[in-house]
Amino acid sequence: NAGVTQTPKFQVLKTGQSMTLQCAQDMNHNSMYWYRQDPGMGLRLIYYSASEGTTDKGEVPNGYNVSRLNKREFSLRLESAAPSQTSVYFCASSQNRGTATFSYNSPLHFGNGTRLTVT
Amino acid sequence: GQQLNQSPQSMFIQEGEDVSMNCTSSSIFNTWLWYKQDPGEGPVLLIALYKAGELTSNGRLTAQFGITRKDSFLNISASIPSDVGIYFCAGLNYGGSQGNLIFGKGTKLSVKP
Repeated sequence: NAGVTQTPKFQVLKTGQSMTLQCAQDMNHNSMYWYRQDPGMGLRLIYYSASEGTTDKGEVPNGYNVSRLNKREFSLRLESAAPSQTSVYFCASSQNRGTATFSYNSPLHFGNGTRLTVT
Repeated sequence: GQQLNQSPQSMFIQEGEDVSMNCTSSSIFNTWLWYKQDPGEGPVLLIALYKAGELTSNGRLTAQFGITRKDSFLNISASIPSDVGIYFCAGLNYGGSQGNLIFGKGTKLSVKP
């Protein structure tokens, strides 16, 4: 079982360039999430998808867009990268029921991250 | 918004020592989670706590859900070198149709030089 797989692992962009971070999970989870991790800031939620066909903003959505392509895949797009978006990006998934964003009995499973540098 | 205060921010351990860290908040949470992150990897769930006062162990790790529902503690007994990494607490507060998961800023565990 691969769990949550993110690609690429590393990426360097110039200011203004665009790119898409890919994420796929093989655990048949309903919900998927994108976080960014910055030194001293912990993990902050960018966007999430509670179920296939839905997406919602998290704590820091500005400058990002997402697509829940199908149940397995959830991509994060930077349309015009900025140095402030230099960070490590983590995708996560969980199995939730009903309409709850997070289920108490299904904590998050994380991918290994994408380290993005914007110059 | 809701915030978690995780302490200490960092600590050095010597093999065999016991380690304690905690998270506190001014808000009540329904669930507390503890994750560990190794370098170059994503966080991995260590322990999940679902009831106030609950004490749960996972090997040498023990975590408690504070009785006030505003704090949680993680203890590591007899630390070993592979315990180094960043430990995150996370509090879950759900109500209505949405839940809100808040992460602490992490406690970085390093080996004493």
